[in-house]
Amino acid sequence: AQSVAQPEDQVNVAEGNPLTVKCTYSVSGNPYLFWYVQYPNRGLQFLLKYITGDNLVKGSYGFEAEFNKSQTSFHLKKPSALVSDSALYFCAVRDPGGYQKVTFGTGTKLQVIP
Amino acid sequence: NAGVTQTPKFQVLKTGQSMTLQCAQDMNHEYMSWYRQDPGMGLRLIHYSVGAGITDQGEVPNGYNVSRSTTEDFPLRLLSAAPSQTSVYFCASSYSGGSAKNIQYFGAGTRLSVL
Repeated sequence: AQSVAQPEDQVNVAEGNPLTVKCTYSVSGNPYLFWYVQYPNRGLQFLLKYITGDNLVKGSYGFEAEFNKSQTSFHLKKPSALVSDSALYFCAVRDPGGYQKVTFGTGTKLQVIP
Repeated sequence: NAGVTQTPKFQVLKTGQSMTLQCAQDMNHEYMSWYRQDPGMGLRLIHYSVGAGITDQGEVPNGYNVSRSTTEDFPLRLLSAAPSQTSVYFCASSYSGGSAKNIQYFGAGTRLSVL
């Protein structure tokens, strides 16, 4: 069965500093990986995805993610954090063999400190 | 473009009551899903549908029913509400192909409390 792990419940970073939100995955076959963001009292919004191709994926709002097959990781990154980036971030993996039975991680709360 | 619309936004039920959470999308997406979000547990898939007339169970289907009579609508029915079903429920939809394949669009959620 596929799974996703987000080892940090919360990440604190100073405004202007680079940020990393960690994600590791387990899936049979080639992974379909996603990052979503959730602002308070809102639904999830898509940030970026990795299906195939370059290991560095660029997404919305200046975010990017690095796919590392050997480490089975898909960490979310941003060179310079903004206070408005403060939100809950979810990593997700899709079953490559069928419909999108998507498994989400438990989420990481990002707090950007002014 | 409304996207994915969920109603109601909030609901309080008594144990044993039944209700239907509504979900509608206007993007002509083939795939639709229901998730529940609980603290520390992320999102868990309840039921999903790959098209009108086709539904299947997800990770936590017990106590919930779904049907998909049209492409647009995917209601979630709680048969006999239990306190363990207190949660935030999200509906999502996506295309089955094209460049937007696999990208899920989420509604704003329904916050349900069962007393």
